[in-house]
Amino acid sequence: EAQVTQNPRYLITVTGKKLTVTCSQNMNHEYMSWYRQDPGLGLRQIYYSMNVEVTDKGDVPEGYKVSRKEKRNFPLILESPSPNQTSLYFCASSSPDGGTGELFFGEGSRLTVL
Amino acid sequence: AQRVTQPEKLLSVFKGAPVELKCNYSYSGSPELFWYVQYSRQRLQLLLRHISRESIKGFTADLNKGETSFHLKKPFAQEEDSAMYYCALSGISGNQFYFGTGTSLTVIP
Repeated sequence: EAQVTQNPRYLITVTGKKLTVTCSQNMNHEYMSWYRQDPGLGLRQIYYSMNVEVTDKGDVPEGYKVSRKEKRNFPLILESPSPNQTSLYFCASSSPDGGTGELFFGEGSRLTVL
Repeated sequence: AQRVTQPEKLLSVFKGAPVELKCNYSYSGSPELFWYVQYSRQRLQLLLRHISRESIKGFTADLNKGETSFHLKKPFAQEEDSAMYYCALSGISGNQFYFGTGTSLTVIP
């Protein structure tokens, strides 16, 4: 089944403890991106990647890192999480189709930083 | 800068009534506009995009460049339309996406 898979789905951690949220897609999509969803703010783009080894900042990149070593994987790294990074995170992928391709979303990862 | 505005956080309509979810945007150039929907316990998914000019599940949306709007409309709401709806904009390069804050639609039986 074609899909985007995120792990973990739920995570509670403490301030300063490095964590990684993995994202994998099996659709051979070039484009991948991360979003955070907060009440009253909608989804905000954190980072995106047009292809392997090509990443760029979105609207809210502070406190996050990403890497794109393989086409299918796009992990989100929080080197030193803080409570203001408590949020619901979504990974998405797409393949341009003459315009901006349809985004396929993962199920979301709910992160709580104490 | 707020690029996508959805003024209604919550919207309730009766089954069979028309529904309109508002979306206004600000962007210089020619953006692509989308509506994404999240049904209960499902992933966020594309409903429709302005370049397709399709009607999906009875919903339509017309891009009005003069009013910078992309309102979502359906003439007769159904209970299964109850969901969270997000208007989204993609810039010219297709790299960056901007989402509105979402409208939660409830269709009352």
